[in-house]
Amino acid sequence: GQQLNQSPQSMFIQEGEDVSMNCTSSSIFNTWLWYKQDPGEGPVLLIALYKAGELTSNGRLTAQFGITRKDSFLNISASIPSDVGIYFCAGQLGAGGTSYGKLTFGQGTILTVHP
Amino acid sequence: DVKVTQSSRYLVKRTGEKVFLECVQDMDHENMFWYRQDPGLGLRLIYFSYDVKMKEKGDIPEGYSVSREKKERFSLILESASTNQTSMYLCASSINTGEKLFFGSGTQLSVL
Repeated sequence: GQQLNQSPQSMFIQEGEDVSMNCTSSSIFNTWLWYKQDPGEGPVLLIALYKAGELTSNGRLTAQFGITRKDSFLNISASIPSDVGIYFCAGQLGAGGTSYGKLTFGQGTILTVHP
Repeated sequence: DVKVTQSSRYLVKRTGEKVFLECVQDMDHENMFWYRQDPGLGLRLIYFSYDVKMKEKGDIPEGYSVSREKKERFSLILESASTNQTSMYLCASSINTGEKLFFGSGTQLSVL
C-alpha cells in the first residue's frame, strides 16, 4: 500500500519554542490530516486539509497541504507542556469508490516539551 | 459527545489462544476500522467495515479476522495469537464519506 514518511521521528524542545514537522508520500493524496495522540489515549483530529496549497490554522497550530499533493507540513508555535504527545500525519486518496474514509498514516513524531 | 469504546485497556494472552477485541461506537457511523500501532511504524490498517456484515482487508490482515453483526459493534479476532501480535490495537469510526476518524483509547495486547 501507500507509504507516508514522517519526520522527524522525535523532537525534544524547550517550552516556548516553535516546532515543525512534515510528511511526504510517493502517492498523491486528495486530503491530508494531522492527528495528535496524548499518552494513554487514541489519536484526535487536529487539522484537515482539502486543497493543494491550502494553509489552515487551529490556534497555535498551522498546517499546509503541499502544492504537489504529495506532502504536508505542521507547525506549532510557542510550544507549551500540554503539546507533548505523538503527532501523526494521514492521507486519504479520495471520497467515494472504495476509499470509505480509509486513511494511510505516517510513522508519527514524538514531541517532548521541557518546561 | 462522540464515543468509541474498546472493551479492554490491557490484555495478556498466551500463544495459540483465540482473542476477541471488541469495539462499540455510539455515533451511528457507517465505517469502522481496526488499526495496530507499533513504535516507529505508526498506525497500520488491519481491516475495515463500511456496513453491517461487510468487511474489507486493510494493509496487514494476515492472522486477523473481523465481525460486524450490528452497526455499532466491530470485533477483531486473533484466531491463534502469536507473539508478533503484541501491540496496541486502536478502533475507529467515521461517517460514510468521512475522513475524520474518531478513535477509541486503545487495547494494549501482550501475547506471551
